[in-house]
Amino acid sequence: GDSVTQMEGPVTLSEEAFLTINCTYTATGYPSLFWYVQYPGEGLQLLLKATKADDKGSNKGFEATYRKETTSFHLEKGSVQVSDSAVYFCALSGWAAGNKLTFGGGTRVLVKP
Amino acid sequence: DTAVSQTPKYLVTQMGNDKSIKCEQNLGHDTMYWYKQDSKKFLKIMFSYNNKELIINETVPNRFSPKSPDKAHLNLHINSLELGDSAVYFCASSQDSSGGVLEQFFGPGTRLTVL
Repeated sequence: GDSVTQMEGPVTLSEEAFLTINCTYTATGYPSLFWYVQYPGEGLQLLLKATKADDKGSNKGFEATYRKETTSFHLEKGSVQVSDSAVYFCALSGWAAGNKLTFGGGTRVLVKP
Repeated sequence: DTAVSQTPKYLVTQMGNDKSIKCEQNLGHDTMYWYKQDSKKFLKIMFSYNNKELIINETVPNRFSPKSPDKAHLNLHINSLELGDSAVYFCASSQDSSGGVLEQFFGPGTRLTVL
């Protein structure tokens, strides 16, 4: 079945540091890939997405590129802020699977001032 | 206006009780979902409904019964609650699950604690 693997946290960074969260997947067909973010005490929000190979999703300074050859969708941000402290989830979805999201285990990121 | 809402936000109850969690979306979406997030933050789909019809049932115990009175609502009823049911339950919705992959919008979650 489909699966998503992402690096375990927590990841602790100083403000303005570079953030990378690795995400790899296994799936049948050609899934769409997502990064969701969960701020403390809140629900999930879509951060960015990519629907086909070589697409780059970007939002709020975060970027991720759909790499089919390495089955990866790593999340990056060049300069993090304290407000980026959250749990980040990589996920995939395919219409053949009823559009259900298969999530990675989540990576907690803590940015210190 | 809240897009996807859930009630209650917190639910504390005793083992063996029956409880319900309600979900409503005002986005005009056709498909709704229930996800469970355990204590380690791991998220897994439970059910999805498209236009009131069950599409996905991910080997959830039959103590869990989703009910969709209309396409804007998907409620989750849980019978004979067990300690292992303690989790955060998220409702989500998307435009349509057939023929394309679309963004899912999530509710704020319901934290269920079974004592």
